Amino acid sequence: AQTVTQSQPEMSVQEAETVTLSCTYDTSESDYYLFWYKQPPSRQMILVIRQEAYKQQNATENRFSVNFQKAAKSFSLKISDSQLGDAAMYFCAFRGHGSGNTGKLIFGQGTTLQVKP
Amino acid sequence: DAGITQSPRHKVTETGTPVTLRCHQTENHRYMYWYRQDPGHGLRLIHYSYGVKDTDKGEVSDGYSVSRSKTEDFLLTLESATSSQTSVYFCATKTGAGTDTQYFGPGTRLTVL
Repeated sequence: AQTVTQSQPEMSVQEAETVTLSCTYDTSESDYYLFWYKQPPSRQMILVIRQEAYKQQNATENRFSVNFQKAAKSFSLKISDSQLGDAAMYFCAFRGHGSGNTGKLIFGQGTTLQVKP
Repeated sequence: DAGITQSPRHKVTETGTPVTLRCHQTENHRYMYWYRQDPGHGLRLIHYSYGVKDTDKGEVSDGYSVSRSKTEDFLLTLESATSSQTSVYFCATKTGAGTDTQYFGPGTRLTVL
C-alpha cells in the first residue's frame, strides 16, 4: 500500500524569505502523480502544484516549485518570496496511474506553515 | 472548483442519530469521493463513486454508506453516528480522464456529541 509522510507538523518563515516543506512517499508503482494542496483557514482545499512521475523536470507555478527525487521517493515544496497569504496547512498527496486506478488520493498528515511579518 | 457544494456546512448531532451529508456538483464529473480530515491524519478516503450506482469502499469506510442515484449527487450516510465520526468531511470530484485534477468542495464540519 502507498503511504505519504510529512515529517514537519509545523514550519515558520519570515515574509519574503524562502521555505521548503518536505514530503516522502512509498509506492511500488513506476507511474504516478504527486500533488501539493494548500488549506487556508477557510478550509478550502486548493491545488498548488502537481508533478507527473514520468517527467524529470520539476514542476513550477510562479513562486512555488518542487524538488522531485524519484529514486529517493521525495517530493518537497519550495515557496519563494513568502507572503502572508501563504500561511496555511499544506498537504502532500499521491495518486497512482495504473489502468485500474480510480483517482484516489493518499494524503500526508499536513504541515502548518506560519508566515511572520 | 468544479461547482461543488456540500450541505449542510455545519452539523451537530447526538450519538446514535442517523446523518446524511450531501455533495452536489454541476460539472458532470464521473468520479466523486468522500474524505474525512482529522488532525494528524490528513485526509482519508471513505468511499468513492465511478458512476451512477457504482461505488466502492475507501480505507476508512466502516460505519459509513454512500449512494449515487444521479451524476450530480453523492450522499454520505452515517447510519448511527458515533463520537469517533466527529470530523470535517470533504467531497471531491474529477472528470475521469487519466491526467485530470481532483477538485474539492468546501467541507462539512460534523460534531457528534
